[in-house]
Amino acid sequence: EVQLEESGGDWVQPGGSLKVSCAASGFRFNGHDMHWVRQAPGKGLEWVASAGSLGDTYYSDSVKGRFTISRDNVRNSLHLQMNTLRSGDTAVYFCAREGRDQFGSGNLDSWGQGTLVTVS
Amino acid sequence: QLVVTQSPSASASLGTSVKVTCTLSSGHSDYAIAWYQQQPGKGPRYLMKVKSDGSHLKGDGVPPRFSGSSYGTERYLTISSLQSEDEGDYYCQTWGTGTYVFGPGTTVSVL
Repeated sequence: EVQLEESGGDWVQPGGSLKVSCAASGFRFNGHDMHWVRQAPGKGLEWVASAGSLGDTYYSDSVKGRFTISRDNVRNSLHLQMNTLRSGDTAVYFCAREGRDQFGSGNLDSWGQGTLVTVS
Repeated sequence: QLVVTQSPSASASLGTSVKVTCTLSSGHSDYAIAWYQQQPGKGPRYLMKVKSDGSHLKGDGVPPRFSGSSYGTERYLTISSLQSEDEGDYYCQTWGTGTYVFGPGTTVSVL
């Protein structure tokens, strides 16, 4: 069974830093691209960043230059280092696995329960 | 620019069908999308992927009453035999090279 468990969410002041992590199990971690998606209180889903199985990384314009995504294929973990945090970064941060099927990839087929980051 | 839009809400009576629409921006009619369900207080659940030719591939454990289809830049999620547990928010998502885009979500209500 695929399991994704986020941790590290906390309250932080504007301008501060925080690192959230995701522990993955139940699948071959280094065979999948991994993502962070966030959801501000009462709002919709927003893609944040992705880390490819080959080491490539991508970011949304809203976090580029402030956030860094990384992965540890030995420890099967995904991380998001968040710097220069703003009140608009307040959200639940979800870790998600990109699927692979006969239609290709692009969909996020497994999700964690999320970890709350509050910037205030 | 790759953008997806959704109507904010949809409703139907218990046991009937509801169709949720996701619209891709002009020039992106060949893009596939994915549908997700988010019930109140829970994380998102992947439902299916829908291609531009209307074919769809569901995730593990998704009931048969969920289906997908396509027409032009529109992608659809149809829920048949609507049940109370189907209430929640439904998001579509698409992707390009190095970018992933979610729609604003549609709240489905069961009357």
